[in-house]
Amino acid sequence: EDQVTQSPEALRLQEGESSSLNCSYTVSGLRGLFWYRQDPGKGPEFLFTLYSAGEEKEKERLKATLTKKESFLHITAPKPEDSATYLCAVQPIMDSNYQLIWGAGTKLIIKP
Amino acid sequence: GAGVSQSPSNKVTEKGKDVELRCDPISGHTALYWYRQSLGQGLEFLIYFQGNSAPDKSGLPSDRFSAERTGGSVSTLTIQRTQQEDSAVYLCASSWGGSAQFFGPGTRLTVL
Repeated sequence: EDQVTQSPEALRLQEGESSSLNCSYTVSGLRGLFWYRQDPGKGPEFLFTLYSAGEEKEKERLKATLTKKESFLHITAPKPEDSATYLCAVQPIMDSNYQLIWGAGTKLIIKP
Repeated sequence: GAGVSQSPSNKVTEKGKDVELRCDPISGHTALYWYRQSLGQGLEFLIYFQGNSAPDKSGLPSDRFSAERTGGSVSTLTIQRTQQEDSAVYLCASSWGGSAQFFGPGTRLTVL
């Protein structure tokens, strides 16, 4: 069964304290892996798409990496405004069906 | 307005009433998705439209829920005979084929 697991469920960091969020997945074939950020009361905001093992994408203080079993979202020297829930989703290879399988998210809190 | 829009932003209704939620996807996007998110929970897939194909309704929780997409663009999610457990944020997203999904701001539904 296709599955996505994110850890930890919640992470509290001091401003400037770097860390990583994990997204482990099990799919028969991976079309793509997506990272989103969701602020309270808003829809998820797209961050990155990764397609193949070894691929990396960066945006400001965020860097996403991908292996054959998991993806990491590295946060370098975070600021309070990076506080949000980070969602990971995988897109299995299923003909023309482009549905995503979503993780439950990691709630990140950055304390000033 | 280049993003996904949803209306209304908030809807309060009485138990047993019908409600209609609207989604305007990004122009040119072929795929449209509806999700439900209860307070503090992850995304629950409801229904998926892809081009002219029959929609994937596998996530609809009961036959009180239905959705249509007219002219390959605007979509309406209808909930008949609303129940208190239907209270949640309803999110719409659109994508170009299998590319990243872009979300609207959501409609917060409260059933009294």
